Amino acid sequence: EAQVTQNPRYLITVTGKKLTVTCSQNMNHEYMSWYRQDPGLGLRQIYYSMNVEVTDKGDVPEGYKVSRKEKRNFPLILESPSPNQTSLYFCASSYRGSSYNEQFFGPGTRLTVL
Amino acid sequence: DAKTTQPPSMDCAEGRAANLPCNHSTISGNEYVYWYRQIHSQGPQYIIHGLKNNETNEMASLIITEDRKSSTLILPHATLRDTAVYYCIVRVAAGNMLTFGGGTRLMVKP
Repeated sequence: EAQVTQNPRYLITVTGKKLTVTCSQNMNHEYMSWYRQDPGLGLRQIYYSMNVEVTDKGDVPEGYKVSRKEKRNFPLILESPSPNQTSLYFCASSYRGSSYNEQFFGPGTRLTVL
Repeated sequence: DAKTTQPPSMDCAEGRAANLPCNHSTISGNEYVYWYRQIHSQGPQYIIHGLKNNETNEMASLIITEDRKSSTLILPHATLRDTAVYYCIVRVAAGNMLTFGGGTRLMVKP
């Protein structure tokens, strides 16, 4: 089944404790991205990747890192999480990063930073 | 990307057509209209997109006005499972980021 998977689905952590949220897609998509969703603010893009070893900042990259060493994986790294990073996070992928391609979203990761 | 305006909420009776409007009066010639929906904190789901012609797929129809300043998403026979927040997004041809606004919360009622 074609899908985008994220792990963990739920995470409660403390300020400053490094964490990684994994994202994997099995559709051989070139384009992957991370969004966060907060009440009243909609979905905002954090980082995106047009292909392996190519990443770029989205609207709200501060406090996050990403890497794209393999086509299928695009982990989101929070080196020193803070409470304002408490949010619902979505990973998405598409065949190419253009308007012609729909984006497939993962199920989401609900992160709470205490 | 052009800004979109949608009503915050709508109701629809089960089995009836749901018509969700979207205004995008500042749309430019190379911007597409996309519709996604999100069912209660699940990942957004693509529905349909178009440039200037009307489009139809197995989920919905998209009607774009001739001046492209507005569009309507039509769910022909709404079911309870169509209850969700529907987002209208306008996006440049070479762009890759989706900018989600407030959307329309559609409630399908029995």
